[in-house]
Amino acid sequence: GESVGLHLPTLSVQEGDNSIINCAYSNSASDYFIWYKQESGKGPQFIIDIRSNMDKRQGQRVTVLLNKTVKHLSLQIAATQPGDSAVYFCADGPGNQGGKLIFGQGTELSVKP
Amino acid sequence: DSGVTQTPKHLITATGQRVTLRCSPRSGDLSVYWYQQSLDQGLQFLIQYYNGEERAKGNILERFSAQQFPDLHSELNLSSLELGDSALYFCASSVAGDRAQPQHFGDGTRLSIL
Repeated sequence: GESVGLHLPTLSVQEGDNSIINCAYSNSASDYFIWYKQESGKGPQFIIDIRSNMDKRQGQRVTVLLNKTVKHLSLQIAATQPGDSAVYFCADGPGNQGGKLIFGQGTELSVKP
Repeated sequence: DSGVTQTPKHLITATGQRVTLRCSPRSGDLSVYWYQQSLDQGLQFLIQYYNGEERAKGNILERFSAQQFPDLHSELNLSSLELGDSALYFCASSVAGDRAQPQHFGDGTRLSIL
């Protein structure tokens, strides 16, 4: 069945370092990918997205890389700050199923001051 | 603030009961999505409505149903509740409904079944 998985359930980084959060997906028909940040007691917050016709997309302090050959997605956060501490989810949009998103299990990012 | 409003924030009820969760989408968004988040299953897509019509369906139980009203707000009805239904229920909204795009989430309703 469809699944989107994450390589690591937890990630701990030092403040100021760069963070890389990885995600693997299995649906070859997926044409849309998105990263969310979820803080305790809140709903998922949109960070950045990318469509399958792109390999890389940059936002403010964040970059998403897409490798369709190995079905791999990563989120890079530059100069990680304590406010970046949260659970990060990747999600996959199959594209032909309305707006449905399939979420991975999440990676908890902890930033040490 | 995502602009998506969910009520109530917390709901405590007993097995066998029925509850209704409510969602108001962001202004201008026509699609509403419902997700269930539990510790062992992560975020699971339940159902999508676009401009009042069902657009996509996930592994939503037959005991659960949803609808979207003419003013675009949506309700998720959960009946014959079981202990395993305890979870966070999120609503999200997006502008269109025919392809995947950023969805903006509310802060959820925490449902506890005693």
